[in-house]
Amino acid sequence: ETGVTQTPRHLVMGMTNKKSLKCEQHLGHNAMYWYKQSAKKPLELMFVYSLEERVENNSVPSRFSPECPNSSHLFLHLHTLQPEDSALYLCASSTGTGIRDEQYFGPGTRLTVT
Amino acid sequence: AQKITQTQPGMFVQEKEAVTLDCTYDTSDPSYGLFWYKQPSSGEMIFLIYQGSYDQQNATEGRYSLNFQKARKSANLVISASQLGDSAMYFCAMRGLTTDSWGKLQFGAGTQVVVTP
Repeated sequence: ETGVTQTPRHLVMGMTNKKSLKCEQHLGHNAMYWYKQSAKKPLELMFVYSLEERVENNSVPSRFSPECPNSSHLFLHLHTLQPEDSALYLCASSTGTGIRDEQYFGPGTRLTVT
Repeated sequence: AQKITQTQPGMFVQEKEAVTLDCTYDTSDPSYGLFWYKQPSSGEMIFLIYQGSYDQQNATEGRYSLNFQKARKSANLVISASQLGDSAMYFCAMRGLTTDSWGKLQFGAGTQVVVTP
Protein backbone atom coordinates (compact mmCIF):
# COMPACT_ATOMS: atom_id res chain seq x y z
CA GLU A 1 0.00 0.00 0.00
CA THR A 2 1.44 3.32 -1.03
CA GLY A 3 1.96 6.08 1.49
CA VAL A 4 1.09 8.68 -1.14
CA THR A 5 -2.51 9.07 -2.28
CA GLN A 6 -3.89 11.16 -5.11
CA THR A 7 -7.43 12.23 -5.91
CA PRO A 8 -9.18 12.10 -8.22
CA ARG A 9 -7.69 9.17 -10.12
CA HIS A 10 -9.33 10.26 -13.35
CA LEU A 11 -10.49 13.70 -14.44
CA VAL A 12 -12.05 14.98 -17.63
CA MET A 13 -12.36 18.72 -17.94
CA GLY A 14 -13.14 21.30 -20.56
CA MET A 15 -10.71 24.03 -21.45
CA THR A 16 -12.66 26.65 -19.52
CA ASN A 17 -13.05 24.63 -16.32
CA LYS A 18 -11.23 25.07 -13.04
CA LYS A 19 -10.29 21.95 -11.12
CA SER A 20 -7.78 20.88 -8.49
CA LEU A 21 -5.68 17.77 -8.03
CA LYS A 22 -4.94 16.66 -4.50
CA CYS A 23 -2.01 14.73 -3.12
CA GLU A 24 -1.52 13.52 0.43
CA GLN A 25 1.45 11.72 1.90
CA HIS A 26 1.40 9.68 5.11
CA LEU A 27 5.15 9.07 5.30
CA GLY A 28 6.22 12.02 7.43
CA HIS A 29 8.20 13.45 4.53
CA ASN A 30 9.21 17.09 4.16
CA ALA A 31 9.43 17.39 0.39
CA MET A 32 6.72 16.99 -2.22
CA TYR A 33 6.78 17.03 -6.01
CA TRP A 34 4.48 17.30 -9.03
CA TYR A 35 5.42 15.50 -12.25
CA LYS A 36 3.75 15.37 -15.65
CA GLN A 37 3.90 12.18 -17.70
CA SER A 38 2.78 12.59 -21.30
CA ALA A 39 2.60 9.82 -23.84
CA LYS A 40 5.95 9.13 -25.44
CA LYS A 41 7.80 11.66 -23.27
CA PRO A 42 9.90 11.17 -20.14
CA LEU A 43 8.54 12.30 -16.81
CA GLU A 44 8.82 16.03 -16.42
CA LEU A 45 9.34 17.64 -13.04
CA MET A 46 6.91 20.52 -12.61
CA PHE A 47 7.20 21.74 -9.03
CA VAL A 48 9.19 20.96 -5.91
CA TYR A 49 8.26 21.95 -2.38
CA SER A 50 10.42 21.62 0.71
CA LEU A 51 8.82 22.31 4.08
CA GLU A 52 5.88 23.96 2.30
CA GLU A 53 8.16 26.36 0.42
CA ARG A 54 8.45 26.15 -3.35
CA VAL A 55 12.06 25.59 -4.32
CA GLU A 56 11.74 24.68 -7.98
CA ASN A 57 9.43 25.65 -10.80
CA ASN A 58 10.47 24.19 -14.11
CA SER A 59 9.05 26.93 -16.32
CA VAL A 60 5.54 25.58 -16.00
CA PRO A 61 2.73 27.64 -17.59
CA SER A 62 0.76 29.78 -15.18
CA ARG A 63 -2.42 27.80 -15.89
CA PHE A 64 -0.91 25.29 -13.42
CA SER A 65 -0.83 26.68 -9.89
CA PRO A 66 0.56 24.60 -7.03
CA GLU A 67 -0.28 24.96 -3.38
CA CYS A 68 1.36 23.28 -0.39
CA PRO A 69 -0.51 24.23 2.80
CA ASN A 70 1.49 21.81 4.97
CA SER A 71 4.10 19.10 4.51
CA SER A 72 1.46 16.38 4.08
CA HIS A 73 -0.69 17.98 1.40
CA LEU A 74 -0.02 19.24 -2.09
CA PHE A 75 -2.51 20.62 -4.59
CA LEU A 76 -2.31 21.44 -8.26
CA HIS A 77 -4.91 23.99 -9.33
CA LEU A 78 -5.83 23.87 -12.98
CA HIS A 79 -7.54 26.53 -15.09
CA THR A 80 -8.00 27.23 -18.81
CA LEU A 81 -6.02 24.16 -19.78
CA GLN A 82 -5.13 23.10 -23.31
CA PRO A 83 -5.65 19.68 -24.91
CA GLU A 84 -1.87 19.13 -24.81
CA ASP A 85 -2.09 19.25 -21.02
CA SER A 86 -3.79 15.85 -21.08
CA ALA A 87 -1.42 13.54 -19.23
CA LEU A 88 -0.84 11.51 -16.10
CA TYR A 89 0.02 13.82 -13.21
CA LEU A 90 2.10 12.15 -10.54
CA CYS A 91 2.77 13.36 -7.05
CA ALA A 92 5.78 12.22 -5.06
CA SER A 93 7.31 12.83 -1.66
CA SER A 94 10.67 12.31 0.00
CA THR A 95 12.37 13.02 3.29
CA GLY A 96 14.17 15.91 1.68
CA THR A 97 17.38 14.99 3.44
CA GLY A 98 20.23 12.55 3.01
CA ILE A 99 22.19 11.54 0.01
CA ARG A 100 19.75 8.94 -1.28
CA ASP A 101 16.44 10.72 -0.66
CA GLU A 102 14.41 8.43 -2.92
CA GLN A 103 11.04 9.70 -3.96
CA TYR A 104 7.83 7.78 -3.33
CA PHE A 105 5.06 8.25 -5.85
CA GLY A 106 1.30 8.22 -5.75
CA PRO A 107 -0.86 6.41 -8.32
CA GLY A 108 -1.39 9.53 -10.39
CA THR A 109 -4.34 11.45 -11.79
CA ARG A 110 -5.17 10.74 -15.41
CA LEU A 111 -6.26 14.10 -16.83
CA THR A 112 -8.06 14.52 -20.11
CA VAL A 113 -8.71 18.02 -21.42
CA THR A 114 -11.47 18.24 -24.01
CA ALA B 1 23.04 19.35 -17.53
CA GLN B 2 21.95 15.77 -17.06
CA LYS B 3 20.73 13.24 -19.57
CA ILE B 4 19.43 9.70 -19.18
CA THR B 5 19.20 7.36 -22.15
CA GLN B 6 17.28 4.11 -22.28
CA THR B 7 17.69 2.65 -25.75
CA GLN B 8 15.35 -0.32 -25.43
CA PRO B 9 11.73 0.75 -25.93
CA GLY B 10 10.42 -2.74 -25.27
CA MET B 11 11.51 -6.24 -24.34
CA PHE B 12 9.98 -9.67 -24.05
CA VAL B 13 11.36 -12.08 -21.48
CA GLN B 14 10.31 -15.56 -20.55
CA GLU B 15 9.24 -16.32 -17.02
CA LYS B 16 12.14 -17.40 -14.75
CA GLU B 17 14.70 -15.92 -17.12
CA ALA B 18 16.93 -12.96 -16.28
CA VAL B 19 16.66 -9.67 -18.16
CA THR B 20 19.00 -6.69 -18.39
CA LEU B 21 17.65 -3.21 -18.96
CA ASP B 22 20.13 -0.69 -20.31
CA CYS B 23 20.66 2.80 -18.96
CA THR B 24 23.38 5.29 -19.83
CA TYR B 25 23.71 8.74 -18.42
CA ASP B 26 25.59 11.97 -18.72
CA THR B 27 26.13 14.52 -16.00
CA SER B 28 28.47 17.29 -14.95
CA ASP B 29 27.85 16.67 -11.26
CA PRO B 30 30.87 15.13 -9.49
CA SER B 31 28.58 13.03 -7.30
CA TYR B 32 25.21 11.67 -8.27
CA GLY B 33 22.66 9.00 -7.51
CA LEU B 34 21.05 6.57 -9.91
CA PHE B 35 17.58 5.14 -9.37
CA TRP B 36 15.39 2.58 -11.02
CA TYR B 37 11.61 2.71 -10.84
CA LYS B 38 8.92 0.32 -12.00
CA GLN B 39 5.59 1.57 -13.34
CA PRO B 40 2.86 -1.06 -13.73
CA SER B 41 -0.21 -0.32 -15.81
CA SER B 42 -1.89 1.07 -12.68
CA GLY B 43 0.35 4.12 -13.03
CA GLU B 44 2.17 4.23 -9.72
CA MET B 45 5.96 4.57 -9.85
CA ILE B 46 7.58 2.04 -7.52
CA PHE B 47 11.14 2.62 -6.31
CA LEU B 48 13.32 -0.44 -6.91
CA ILE B 49 16.99 0.25 -6.31
CA TYR B 50 19.56 3.00 -5.74
CA GLN B 51 23.23 3.31 -6.64
CA GLY B 52 25.44 6.15 -5.51
CA SER B 53 28.26 7.21 -7.77
CA TYR B 54 30.63 6.91 -4.83
CA ASP B 55 29.54 3.34 -3.95
CA GLN B 56 32.27 0.77 -4.41
CA GLN B 57 29.91 -2.14 -4.83
CA ASN B 58 26.99 -2.69 -7.14
CA ALA B 59 23.61 -2.33 -5.44
CA THR B 60 21.32 -5.31 -4.96
CA GLU B 61 17.76 -5.53 -3.69
CA GLY B 62 16.26 -9.00 -3.78
CA ARG B 63 15.90 -10.03 -7.44
CA TYR B 64 17.10 -6.62 -8.62
CA SER B 65 20.74 -5.79 -9.09
CA LEU B 66 22.46 -2.87 -10.70
CA ASN B 67 25.43 -3.33 -13.01
CA PHE B 68 27.16 0.00 -12.44
CA GLN B 69 30.06 0.87 -14.72
CA LYS B 70 31.11 4.38 -13.84
CA ALA B 71 33.72 4.80 -16.54
CA ARG B 72 31.16 3.84 -19.17
CA LYS B 73 28.47 5.91 -17.48
CA SER B 74 26.07 3.01 -17.46
CA ALA B 75 23.74 1.69 -14.78
CA ASN B 76 21.98 -1.35 -16.13
CA LEU B 77 19.24 -3.05 -14.13
CA VAL B 78 19.24 -6.83 -13.95
CA ILE B 79 16.07 -8.62 -12.95
CA SER B 80 16.70 -12.25 -12.11
CA ALA B 81 14.12 -15.05 -12.24
CA SER B 82 11.47 -12.92 -13.96
CA GLN B 83 7.88 -13.25 -12.80
CA LEU B 84 4.67 -12.38 -14.59
CA GLY B 85 4.19 -9.54 -12.13
CA ASP B 86 7.39 -7.95 -13.41
CA SER B 87 5.59 -6.88 -16.58
CA ALA B 88 5.73 -3.08 -16.41
CA MET B 89 7.50 0.01 -17.63
CA TYR B 90 10.94 0.50 -16.09
CA PHE B 91 12.55 3.90 -15.71
CA CYS B 92 16.12 4.83 -14.99
CA ALA B 93 16.57 8.16 -13.21
CA MET B 94 19.41 10.27 -11.94
CA ARG B 95 19.91 13.10 -9.51
CA GLY B 96 23.01 15.15 -8.81
CA LEU B 97 24.09 15.25 -5.19
CA THR B 98 24.94 18.92 -5.07
CA THR B 99 22.77 21.52 -3.41
CA ASP B 100 21.72 22.91 -6.80
CA SER B 101 20.62 19.46 -7.95
CA TRP B 102 18.50 18.72 -4.90
CA GLY B 103 15.09 17.30 -5.81
CA LYS B 104 15.74 17.35 -9.55
CA LEU B 105 15.23 13.74 -10.50
CA GLN B 106 15.75 13.28 -14.24
CA PHE B 107 14.08 10.29 -15.88
CA GLY B 108 14.82 8.30 -19.01
CA ALA B 109 12.19 7.39 -21.58
CA GLY B 110 11.61 3.96 -20.08
CA THR B 111 11.66 0.34 -21.24
CA GLN B 112 8.46 -1.70 -21.47
CA VAL B 113 9.03 -5.25 -20.20
CA VAL B 114 6.59 -8.05 -20.95
CA VAL B 115 7.10 -11.33 -19.16
CA THR B 116 5.63 -14.33 -20.96
CA PRO B 117 4.76 -17.73 -19.45
